[in-house]
Amino acid sequence: VQLVESGGGLVKPGGSLRLSCAASRFTFSDAWMSWVRQTPGKGLAWVARIKSKVDGETTDYAAPVQGRFIISRDDSKKILYLHMESLRVDDSAMYFCTDFAFWGQGTLVTVST
Amino acid sequence: SSELTQPPSVSVSPGQTARITCSGDMLAKQYTYWYQQKTGQAPILVIYRDTERPSGIPERFSGSSSGATVTLTISEVQAEDEADYYCQSADSSGVEFGGGTKLTVL
Repeated sequence: VQLVESGGGLVKPGGSLRLSCAASRFTFSDAWMSWVRQTPGKGLAWVARIKSKVDGETTDYAAPVQGRFIISRDDSKKILYLHMESLRVDDSAMYFCTDFAFWGQGTLVTVST
Repeated sequence: SSELTQPPSVSVSPGQTARITCSGDMLAKQYTYWYQQKTGQAPILVIYRDTERPSGIPERFSGSSSGATVTLTISEVQAEDEADYYCQSADSSGVEFGGGTKLTVL
């Protein structure tokens, strides 16, 4: 199983960014997928979750990102997305995609002037 | 979701047993998962559904549950077990992580 994140980078406060996570050797369509972030030296923090299509493809968000981030999925391409808007300095972190059995290596988001 | 509480640090000598606890109201009703994370690496699942061990994880890793407290036990600790350990659970509203426990092998 391989999960590969991309799309991170440097963005100014108030800006937007879209993260992607490509899955391979993985029954992606059956999986509930999440984004988890981690600030250097700090703990893991769940960001968002999307259920499988069979389970309604419903989404849930952590309070700090509710209304600013959108999680989505394309099962035909086996890609998970995280669209982030109105980014703040404290959104800076390594962002991991995971089904909690397997994790990607993460993509770094830095929000700074 | 509710808070999950872990001790910030645990220290043991090689060959001893390390026990890391995680407590929170949701744990009485939901499964707990444990992750090991070494510096600069992604987390690795070491225990799922309170007590199950994924393939490839050494038998010295085990999990137990009692009410609102779960415990990760590492028997015969080795130097390579030095890492941060996180508990995690989930319910209908979302996912919660514990604050993490740094395991130091003396």
